[in-house]
Amino acid sequence: KAGVTQTPRYLIKTRGQQVTLSCSPISGHRSVSWYQQTPGQGLQFLFEYFSETQRNKGNFPGRFSGRQFSNSRSEMNVSTLELGDSALYLCASRTSGGNTGELFFGEGSRLTVL
Amino acid sequence: GIQVEQSPPDLILQEGANSTLRCNFSDSVNNLQWFHQNPWGQLINLFYIPSGTKQNGRLSATTVATERYSLLYISSSQTTDSGVYFCAVDAGGTSYGKLTFGQGTILTVHP
Repeated sequence: KAGVTQTPRYLIKTRGQQVTLSCSPISGHRSVSWYQQTPGQGLQFLFEYFSETQRNKGNFPGRFSGRQFSNSRSEMNVSTLELGDSALYLCASRTSGGNTGELFFGEGSRLTVL
Repeated sequence: GIQVEQSPPDLILQEGANSTLRCNFSDSVNNLQWFHQNPWGQLINLFYIPSGTKQNGRLSATTVATERYSLLYISSSQTTDSGVYFCAVDAGGTSYGKLTFGQGTILTVHP
């Protein structure tokens, strides 16, 4: 069974640009979450989607957005990039739609903003 | 929100030594997971352990939910165990998909 797949793995952008990251969850998993990891702030929750609905959102500005498609694949978008958006972005999926169950993470997308 | 504290922040061992990593959390939790982050950044699942004890080879974990802590034991450490170990919890309620992570323990195992 394939794991959580994230694309692209690495990307470089300049300030002011926007970026879209993609995540394909494990087959059968309907809940997808996104996290940002930086050296200063550690791992922080961005948002979670289930059945194409955002159910939970972390404390990030509106420049960070996401969506989920009917096949459970998810994308996140960051607009008007800032230097501080340089980070490892991790996607996770789980089977259940509730609050239990193990989360499985992808390999991440490493974004560098110049 | 819920707070997660891991200790120690750094740990240096000789190959073959045993170690214990601790995770304290400030409120009751639905889920607790231990991860090992590899050099490429991927979080590798070690244990899903909201309560009780589990073992997987040289690794084992215990969560005492009533006292709000979890322990990860690594026995006979190997150089490949080096990396960052994270504890993460889900507080339940409407925290869908949200894990709160500790700051991690950086483990270095020397040959």
